[in-house]
Amino acid sequence: DAGVTQSPTHLIKTRGQHVTLRCSPISGHKSVSWYQQVLGQGPQFIFQYYEKEERGRGNFPDRFSARQFPNYSSELNVNALLLGDSALYLCASSWTGTETEAFFGQGTRLTVV
Amino acid sequence: RKEVEQDPGPFNVPEGATVAFNCTYSNSASQSFFWYRQDCRKEPKLLMSVYSSGNEDGRFTAQLNRASQYISLLIRDSKLSDSATYLCVVNIGTGGGNKLTFGTGTQLKVEL
Repeated sequence: DAGVTQSPTHLIKTRGQHVTLRCSPISGHKSVSWYQQVLGQGPQFIFQYYEKEERGRGNFPDRFSARQFPNYSSELNVNALLLGDSALYLCASSWTGTETEAFFGQGTRLTVV
Repeated sequence: RKEVEQDPGPFNVPEGATVAFNCTYSNSASQSFFWYRQDCRKEPKLLMSVYSSGNEDGRFTAQLNRASQYISLLIRDSKLSDSATYLCVVNIGTGGGNKLTFGTGTQLKVEL
């Protein structure tokens, strides 16, 4: 069975551009969460979605947005990219979002130049 | 104050050593607790959940002290393959869902 898959794996963008990151959860999982991991830090919670509804939002600016589709896949969008947005973006999936374990994808490494 | 605090290390230990990691959390409403392992440039993976009664999984023992808001991980008989970053994680919960809050991670290097 496929685990959580994210695309692309690596991405280079210029300041001010927009980026869309994609995540496909484990089959049967209905909840997706997004995390940002800056080098040398632990992952920071950005969003959680369950059944296409936003269930939680972390302390990130409005430039960050996300959505979940009927097939439970998800997109994370970041507008007006800043150098500080350079990070590993991780997607995690679980059945309902209330379980104790979340399964992470391999992440998308975003570099903003 | 950070919600989850850990000593970033690195901890350099010889193979076979016992090493202990500590973590404190600030939110007393935290619901569940975990240790995740993250290898270099890879995604975090759940190592073990942490319970007040203490729990053990092979060479790994985790302990939670809710009164002190303190979590620990003990690794016995360290192996080279244990080299990784260990992330202390607290689930605070949000709007009916989970919000995992991670510490900065403690880097472990096991050497010959």
